[in-house]
Amino acid sequence: VLTQSPATLSVSPGERATLSCRASQRISTNLAWYQQKPGQAPRLLISSSSTRATGVAARFSGGGSGTEFTLTISSLQSEDFAVYYCQHYDSWPLGFGQGTKLEIK
Amino acid sequence: EVQLLESGGDLVQPGGSLRLSCAASGFTFNTYAMGWVRQAPGKGLEWVSTISGSGGSTFYSDPVKGRFTISRDNSENTLYLQMNSLRDEDTAVYYCAKVRSGSFRSTFDYWGQGTLLTVSS
Repeated sequence: VLTQSPATLSVSPGERATLSCRASQRISTNLAWYQQKPGQAPRLLISSSSTRATGVAARFSGGGSGTEFTLTISSLQSEDFAVYYCQHYDSWPLGFGQGTKLEIK
Repeated sequence: EVQLLESGGDLVQPGGSLRLSCAASGFTFNTYAMGWVRQAPGKGLEWVSTISGSGGSTFYSDPVKGRFTISRDNSENTLYLQMNSLRDEDTAVYYCAKVRSGSFRSTFDYWGQGTLLTVSS
């Protein structure tokens, strides 16, 4: 089970945002992050805890291993306000966190 | 360019059946595992099922095991999800997604736009 915190994060443009994802058991670095905007499909941002997907801006960074993971957005742009999900792929069944909504402060 | 186009979503009565399809293009379909992920209205993402590139291995979440069947036609570059004994709680947008790496158990790097299944009487 993945638990994301906070459920909602209010941040001003240009500021840094840090999102957390905690796993109920150790999953090594088998964790991904996705971004989803309203009415759109999810978009892969990060895999293997810290590897940016193709085309993802450098301001997105991921880290962590075992049970504690973070997604950091270094300087928020207007297009970054969305819902973010973590996903583990360490074992079956695959699982997603419940999401963190990143909103404009 | 990778493209995934789902179809088949509809309004179905509880207990009914439906088959979703996902037409894939822009990559060598038979070398990648594929999956279905769903999202109930206003809710988060839920993994449903994954199938290997050859179709020989399939995996299901507990809520759909025994009711849903994932399959693929590699000659037609198409992924399917046969859904039987549908329940209200199966109502969701169903996304078709490509698995990123050669492993079955991995991230999803490309997603379709989704197709809506509504289960209601």
